[in-house]
Amino acid sequence: QKEVEQNSGPLSVPEGAIASLNCTYSDRGSQSFFWYRQYSGKSPELIMSIYSNGDKEDGRFTAQLNKASQYVSLLIRDSQPSDSATYLCAVNITSAEAGTALIFGKGTTLSVSS
Amino acid sequence: ETGVTQSPTHLIKTRGQQVTLRCSSQSGHNTVSWYQQALGQGPQFIFQYYREEENGRGNFPPRFSGLQFPNYSSELNVNALELDDSALYLCASSLDEGGVRSYEQYFGPGTRLTVT
Repeated sequence: QKEVEQNSGPLSVPEGAIASLNCTYSDRGSQSFFWYRQYSGKSPELIMSIYSNGDKEDGRFTAQLNKASQYVSLLIRDSQPSDSATYLCAVNITSAEAGTALIFGKGTTLSVSS
Repeated sequence: ETGVTQSPTHLIKTRGQQVTLRCSSQSGHNTVSWYQQALGQGPQFIFQYYREEENGRGNFPPRFSGLQFPNYSSELNVNALELDDSALYLCASSLDEGGVRSYEQYFGPGTRLTVT
């Protein structure tokens, strides 16, 4: 059973701080990793994708990937109240049954206080 | 805006009934995947279609079935509805450029299904 694990939170940070969200995955063959943001009552929105070990930066967001440790993280710098949402880690798997599918963690709820 | 639309937005059905949910994606998005998201959980993969053929399925019973059409629309059908089928149903599409399939998936707004 392919799994993606995240701390459910809530993770509470003050406005302007760095929020750090973590994710581990079980499938060593996975090559594609994604972070989605989901506001309450809305659908997931893709905010970052990462395919190679190391860091990838996009504005205030930095995704970090370590395939040897099977670990993905998302850093949000200068956190804003509008960043308050659930962040879903997703890992692409390939199998005979599933084809190519995204396996999601349960999500980490982030709360940014002003 | 992802260019992915879903209908209806909300739906209430009775246990044992059948339901059809619809999704429409952008031109060139030849891969469509369907997910079920229960409250407080991450989306769970139901199945995926590529160029109108099912090419992957998650751990869902056969009463969950689907279709994909040439006009980038697709359907999720659920027969013999159970109370546990109450969830947000999401479709997501991926771009296919020159035969190279992207793994990035873009979600529609979802259909909230309530089974009573």
